[in-house]
Amino acid sequence: AQKVTQAQTEISVVEKEDVTLDCVYETRDTTYYLFWYKQPPSGELVFLIRRNSFDEQNEISGRYSWNFQKSTSSFNFTITASQVVDSAVYFCALSREGDFNKFYFGSGTKLNVKP
Amino acid sequence: GAVVSQHPSWVICKSGTSVKIECRSLDFQATTMFWYRQFPKQSLMLMATSNEGSKATYEQGVEKDKFLINHASLTLSTLTVTSAHPEDSSFYICSAPPDMDGNNQPQHFGDGTRLSIL
Repeated sequence: AQKVTQAQTEISVVEKEDVTLDCVYETRDTTYYLFWYKQPPSGELVFLIRRNSFDEQNEISGRYSWNFQKSTSSFNFTITASQVVDSAVYFCALSREGDFNKFYFGSGTKLNVKP
Repeated sequence: GAVVSQHPSWVICKSGTSVKIECRSLDFQATTMFWYRQFPKQSLMLMATSNEGSKATYEQGVEKDKFLINHASLTLSTLTVTSAHPEDSSFYICSAPPDMDGNNQPQHFGDGTRLSIL
């Protein structure tokens, strides 16, 4: 069975602070895909990143960075120098090879960035 | 711009009403679409896989007679919540994978439909 756990329900930080959102996943598949999505209050899902299970390279995109560690089944997301506009709910998701577009979402982490 | 259009974005109706939600792929064909449901402050849960020209595949625990899915064309899937009750109030989101080279592009999500049953 596939499972994604985001233990942090809600995080509050002050603007310019760095913040890390945790994601731990469970799967027996050797090939799988991991995603992060942002959901602002308006509700739409904004794609942030996709990683396949064979690519453990960390990635940086502007203020965003991701740390994928298969050894701990984690795919954590760090926002550097957070901004108020980063306030949203962030979801980590998993999909399987052969069913790539069928997502298993974590419960989400609500990030509040205060000015 | 948006590549998956979902309509309506918000609907409020009385208990017992049936509500239809549309999910359209714009400028691409989608033989498969997915329907998710999100209760307030909770995660998105996959409800069903909509297959063009054939029956939808429902996830365990989802009542297929309650949530009717029709995927009659390559660009349109509809979800009908039949005889809706307050417990069906939720945020419904559809998604569609890109039609080509799908494994290198993320799937497209609609903007969601907020359904409130009074």
